[in-house]
Amino acid sequence: AQTVTQSQPEMSVQEAETVTLSCTYDTSENNYYLFWYKQPPSRQMILVIRQEAYKQQNATENRFSVNFQKAAKSFSLKISDSQLGDTAMYFCAFTAYYSGAGSYQLTFGKGTKLSVIP
Amino acid sequence: EAGVTQFPSHSVIEKGQTVTLRCDPISGHDNLYWYRRVMGKEIKFLLHFVKESKQDESGMPNNRFLAERTGGTYSTLKVQPAELEDSGVYFCASSQLGTGVLHEQFFGPGTRLTVL
Repeated sequence: AQTVTQSQPEMSVQEAETVTLSCTYDTSENNYYLFWYKQPPSRQMILVIRQEAYKQQNATENRFSVNFQKAAKSFSLKISDSQLGDTAMYFCAFTAYYSGAGSYQLTFGKGTKLSVIP
Repeated sequence: EAGVTQFPSHSVIEKGQTVTLRCDPISGHDNLYWYRRVMGKEIKFLLHFVKESKQDESGMPNNRFLAERTGGTYSTLKVQPAELEDSGVYFCASSQLGTGVLHEQFFGPGTRLTVL
């Protein structure tokens, strides 16, 4: 069974500063995908960034980037130039193609509540 | 384009009662997922529809939960009878059918269920 661990329940960062959210996972799969989702207060969860395990290059989306360490099973999210709108719950998630089920169900961590302070 | 919608946004019921949650996926999305987050715990997968068929229901906790997706459009999740441990936020997500995971799952706002 796959597990995803986010060890930081809450974090805060000053506006314009950089913050890193941690995520580790455990799996026996070789081909899998990792995601960071963001859920702002009272709003829907949206995808921030995704990483395919077979790609060595770390994914980047504007101010968001990941540090993917496959051997260590680590997938951290770095937010640069933090903005007030980045205040949200951040979820790390994992999926692999489960051929028996034919489903791409997501396995989530417990989440990290990030507060950006003006 | 309308996103995934869920109804109601919040439901408060007594133990033993029945509640039905509804999810309307993005138009054209054949994949529909249900997830649940119990307070303080991870978001957990419940089941996955492809069109009107249940592709994977391995996450359904017990037979008090019944999900349907008639006609392959909206889906309902019925809890009967509700127990205290069913309290939590129920999320629905949808994605396109095709090359699998590269098709992002789009989430609804969730239904917060409180069982008293």
